[in-house]
Amino acid sequence: DIQLTQSPSFLSASVGDRVSITCRASQDINNYLAWYQQKSGKAPKLLIYAASTLQFGVPSRFSGSGSGTEFTLTISSLQPEDFATYYCLQGNRNPPYTFGQGTKLEIK
Amino acid sequence: QLMQSGAEVKKPGASVKVSCKASGYSFTSEGIHWVRQAPGQGLEWMGWLSTYNGNTNYAQKFQGRVTMTSDASTTTAFLELTSLTSDDTAVYYCARDQYKWNSYVYFDYWGQGTLVTVSS
Repeated sequence: DIQLTQSPSFLSASVGDRVSITCRASQDINNYLAWYQQKSGKAPKLLIYAASTLQFGVPSRFSGSGSGTEFTLTISSLQPEDFATYYCLQGNRNPPYTFGQGTKLEIK
Repeated sequence: QLMQSGAEVKKPGASVKVSCKASGYSFTSEGIHWVRQAPGQGLEWMGWLSTYNGNTNYAQKFQGRVTMTSDASTTTAFLELTSLTSDDTAVYYCARDQYKWNSYVYFDYWGQGTLVTVSS
């Protein structure tokens, strides 16, 4: 099975900061990676798919990059509503599909 | 939109069946995934269901205990999990499948989640 490792697990930042979260895959997954935001008590929300394609309606301060085994989610200028937990998901061809362990983004 | 059934409390050894009613799109055109999240933990993929022909693919961990089905007449997908233990206490989500380029899968829209509590 393909494993995903996110870093960091916790991130403390301030409103207006630029932050990045990394997701590393245990083998080449092309660009078959998505990013999700989850707020407490809510379902995950799709932000980015195919590593860098912004889902409709998602603010442009979110961006994704990478291919192969290393991927990055960047938030260019943190807003108060961005403090949440972020997950990556690999969807390479056949199951099982796996998530990273999550990155909790907290207010400094 | 995906609307899930309400919270459940079950005893160890029992079964639970969670429903996920879809609206706003062609139900049989997109599959459904089920994902669970134990309290304070991350997301865990459980399996996929084709709402077109009923084909399924279950995570090995749940093989033999899980059944995913759907009813096109009511545009509803179902997750049934048997032989429950306290380790199955979690929020269970359904999510719509997106399949691109004959090889890439991701989940775009999610249900609101159903809390299943297993306790004696």
